Amino acid sequence: GENVEQHPSTLSVQEGDSAVIKCTYSDSASNYFPWYKQELGKRPQLIIDIRSNVGEKKDQRIAVTLNKTAKHFSLHITETQPEDSAVYFCAASIHSGGGADGLTFGKGTHLIIQP
Amino acid sequence: EAGVAQSPRYKIIEKRQSVAFWCNPISGHATLYWYQQILGQGPKLLIQFQNNGVVDDSQLPKDRFSAERLKGVDSTLKIQPAKLEDSAVYLCASSFPTGGRTKNIQYFGAGTRLSVL
Repeated sequence: GENVEQHPSTLSVQEGDSAVIKCTYSDSASNYFPWYKQELGKRPQLIIDIRSNVGEKKDQRIAVTLNKTAKHFSLHITETQPEDSAVYFCAASIHSGGGADGLTFGKGTHLIIQP
Repeated sequence: EAGVAQSPRYKIIEKRQSVAFWCNPISGHATLYWYQQILGQGPKLLIQFQNNGVVDDSQLPKDRFSAERLKGVDSTLKIQPAKLEDSAVYLCASSFPTGGRTKNIQYFGAGTRLSVL
């Protein structure tokens, strides 16, 4: 089955600086890569996602890049703010319409924004 | 729109007891997932339903876990008997199948935190 590795496990950056979280996946058939943000005691919330036919996607201060050949994808947050502090999870799945498309998650990155 | 509803929010039981969790997905969402999130880890898929049929239960420990979605809407996940290692947050998610190769966004509920003593 799919295996997703995520690094680092903890990332501390100064407010205003950029943060980068990296993930690798094992199954070359995976074609959907979402990123979820989870605040303490709350539900995971989708912040951005990318499909395998796209190399990069940006939404305001958040961007995701995907390298299918190397089987890795990254989350980039620019101009970090205190409210960005949370645990971020990358995930991968094989989506083909109507079939099994459960997400395989990484172990998470605890992002700490230092004031 | 209303989100995915789960109950109870917290549950404390002793090992070997039984427990059940309930999930009500977003209205109109045909696909429902149960995930187990152990402290400090990412969620792990237990089972996926499409309407009232099981699509994937390959990671469900079937000797003690069971799940059903009889009318294709609400779902119940049961553990019987519980073990200490079952202590985790149980998350329910739902998505609206759009067919073809269009991605299905999964929306998560707040989860049920289970402590097994």
